[in-house]
Amino acid sequence: AQRVTQPEKLLSVFKGAPVELKCNYSYSGSPELFWYVQYSRQRLQLLLRHISRESIKGFTADLNKGETSFHLKKPFAQEEDSAMYYCALQGGGGYNKLIFGAGTRLAVHP
Amino acid sequence: DTGVSQDPRHKITKRGQNVTFRCDPISEHNRLYWYRQTLGQGPEFLTYFQNEAQLEKSRLLSDRFSAERPKGSFSTLEIQRTEQGDSAMYLCASSSSVVGSYEQYFGPGTRLTVT
Repeated sequence: AQRVTQPEKLLSVFKGAPVELKCNYSYSGSPELFWYVQYSRQRLQLLLRHISRESIKGFTADLNKGETSFHLKKPFAQEEDSAMYYCALQGGGGYNKLIFGAGTRLAVHP
Repeated sequence: DTGVSQDPRHKITKRGQNVTFRCDPISEHNRLYWYRQTLGQGPEFLTYFQNEAQLEKSRLLSDRFSAERPKGSFSTLEIQRTEQGDSAMYLCASSSSVVGSYEQYFGPGTRLTVT
């Protein structure tokens, strides 16, 4: 079964601290993984995609197939990073539907 | 183009009533998705259209739910005989099928409350 697990509902850190948002997945095949973010009063939007291997807003995520993980990391958190973060797996079948985790709320305190 | 739009943004209805939501995707996008999000959960896939064809439906989509995309542009999602368990945020997203396109663009959602 295809599944995404985000074990933490809330991650609370101080500004300047490192951040790691955990994501584990279950998928038989080559996964396509994404991180989506929702800032307060804004719509859900793509943060990054594993294939692009980009750093967006200082965030990076590495796909670890051995551990079936796709953790999101940032070395120094900023207050504007406070948001809901969702890890998502692109399902098979050619239709690109997304399977989301339950999300982690990141709260960055001054 | 201001992105994906959804109407209404909020809907309160009594149990047993029918409701219909509308989604207008980004104009050049031929793929359209509906998701449902309940409190404390991530979005769950409901159904997918490519142009006017509905190509996939989740088992979450009971026979009380129907979705259409008659001209391959806007889409509607209707819920008949609403139940309290239908209370959720209904999200629409669109994307392009051009090779290399992968991002789904989400609308603001329609929040349904069934009393």
